[in-house]
Amino acid sequence: EPEVTQTPSHQVTQMGQEVILRCVPISNHLYFYWYRQILGQKVEFLVSFYNNEISEKSEIFDDQFSVERPDGSNFTLKIRSTKLEDSAMYFCASIPRVAGVQETQYFGPGTRLLVL
Amino acid sequence: AQTVTQSQPEMSVQEAETVTLSCTYDTSENNYYLFWYKQPPSRQMILVIRQEAYKQQNATENRFSVNFQKAAKSFSLKISDSQLGDTAMYFCAFMKATNAGKSTFGDGTTLTVKP
Repeated sequence: EPEVTQTPSHQVTQMGQEVILRCVPISNHLYFYWYRQILGQKVEFLVSFYNNEISEKSEIFDDQFSVERPDGSNFTLKIRSTKLEDSAMYFCASIPRVAGVQETQYFGPGTRLLVL
Repeated sequence: AQTVTQSQPEMSVQEAETVTLSCTYDTSENNYYLFWYKQPPSRQMILVIRQEAYKQQNATENRFSVNFQKAAKSFSLKISDSQLGDTAMYFCAFMKATNAGKSTFGDGTTLTVKP
């Protein structure tokens, strides 16, 4: 069964450094998402992406964050200058589009980011 | 904006027994999807069951079933014949049926299945 993949599974970085989290959505899916989950808390929406542009973003997704789909398969989340509070699990998700109706969001296994 | 409330932070159940996890939500949308996700210690998000709001019939997946009450905006998950492997955090989630709808999650319920 096709699945969303994410790399790396774990990332440790120093505060102020840039990180890029990578995702490969399921191949026939058209909508892509990033969520984050701080340890012990709920899953929070960051951004949605469709047709090579951001569809919606949350208040969390400030100027330090950016997303792109550079090559038609990878979907990346960049954090330009990491802060301690960026430490979290980051999930990528994707949705197919069937007759204009959303299907289930399929989640990747997550990238655990630790900012020191 | 949508909100999802899970009022039970923690629950426990004996192996082979039945447990029900509660979820309520608030929305002005008429078309939407509801989900239950399981998050084991690995923290991967695993889809347990989904329900389309336009369907009156409650969804079932093997030992997992839901009680969807659209008017009451309630979406509870029943786990029958609980197994040790069901021990996990369970999240209820809401998703609008629009082209770019995001999911809104509840705070989660930690379920422990005791031998």
